Amino acid sequence: EAGVAQSPRYKIIEKRQSVAFWCNPISGHATLYWYQQILGQGPKLLIQFQNNGVVDDSQLPKDRFSAERLKGVDSTLKIQPAKLEDSAVYLCASSLRISGNTIYFGEGSWLTVV
Amino acid sequence: SQQGEEDPQALSIQEGENATMNCSYKTSINNLQWYRQNSGRGLVHLILIRSNEREKHSGRLRVTLDTSKKSSSLLITASRAADTASYFCATAITGNQFYFGTGTSLTVIP
Repeated sequence: EAGVAQSPRYKIIEKRQSVAFWCNPISGHATLYWYQQILGQGPKLLIQFQNNGVVDDSQLPKDRFSAERLKGVDSTLKIQPAKLEDSAVYLCASSLRISGNTIYFGEGSWLTVV
Repeated sequence: SQQGEEDPQALSIQEGENATMNCSYKTSINNLQWYRQNSGRGLVHLILIRSNEREKHSGRLRVTLDTSKKSSSLLITASRAADTASYFCATAITGNQFYFGTGTSLTVIP
């Protein structure tokens, strides 16, 4: 079974530039998550989708971050404009259903903002 | 915050020894999961324990859950160098909205 796919794996941008990350979840998984993990910290949930609807985006900085999952499969997370403090690993994850299931993570997209 | 808090922050042991790390949380949960993260990699699921369970085993891993104390522990027996990683607990209050702690960094010395 293929895992959660993410791209790009690494990205370096200057502050105020924009960046987009792509995620393809495990086939058949209805729930998709984006987490932000700053070095030395645990992952922080940014947004959670159930199919193509948003379940929780309470910790997403909506002035600069946006995410979509238009067809209920793959998803894109965008940051515009980027700040230095956005330097982190952006982890995409998926689970079969919304409740009580194992969450499977991708390898992450490493962002450095200079 | 309803995040889990792992303890200790860092742990260094000799190969073959047992490693125990703890997780405390603040509010009632539906379930709790433990994850491992090798340096530069994504998180790998280890065990899920539900609020009505007290103990679960998987290979060399043993997880306990004490809902009265709002705490969980992860025991790795007969540790190996390959167990060197960061370990996170993630708590779910409702559904699959998991909140992660800051992790325990485990170093197993060959």
